[in-house]
Amino acid sequence: AQSVTQPDIHITVSEGASLELRCNYSYGATPYLFWYVQSPGQGLQLLLKYFSGDTLVQGIKGFEAEFKRSQSSFNLRKPSVHWSDAAEYFCAVGAGNTGNQFYFGTGTSLTVIP
Amino acid sequence: GAGVSQSPRYKVAKRGQDVALRCDPISGHVSLFWYQQALGQGPEFLTYFQNEAQLDKSGLPSDRFFAERPEGSVSTLKIQRTQQEDSAVYLCASSKTTGGNTEAFFGQGTRLTVV
Repeated sequence: AQSVTQPDIHITVSEGASLELRCNYSYGATPYLFWYVQSPGQGLQLLLKYFSGDTLVQGIKGFEAEFKRSQSSFNLRKPSVHWSDAAEYFCAVGAGNTGNQFYFGTGTSLTVIP
Repeated sequence: GAGVSQSPRYKVAKRGQDVALRCDPISGHVSLFWYQQALGQGPEFLTYFQNEAQLDKSGLPSDRFFAERPEGSVSTLKIQRTQQEDSAVYLCASSKTTGGNTEAFFGQGTRLTVV
């Protein structure tokens, strides 16, 4: 069965520090992988996606993620965090009977301290 | 509008009441999804439409939940005889095409509180 695990429920980083949010997935075939960000009271916004090809993908707001098939991981990174990055981050895999059902992890809440 | 629009943004219902949640997807988007997001959890799939056809409703938690998209555009999620466990944010998303490699655009959600 498809599933997504985000091991870190909450992370606190200092502004300007680097960030890595972990995501592990379970899926029988080559997955379609996504990272979404959700600010309070807002909908989910796509940060980046991996479909195929280069395993290092660049997204918006300076985020990047690397697909590692051997580790079933798709970790999100940012070299220097800004206070405005404080939000909830969700990793998702695109799957399902029709290939377009998204399975989300439980999310990682990011706090940025000055 | 430019994005996915959901209404109402907030809904308080008494237990046993019926509710209807509306989703206006991005114009021309073929696929429409409904998700349920409980407090502190990630969104969980409820149902999927391709145009007016409901192709997957495997995530609907009970027969009290019903969704429709009669003209392949606006969709309504109806919950009958609401229960406290139905309290959640209900998210709607749409995408231009079908397939697991398509980007989904999400609305801001409807927060349902059942008292």
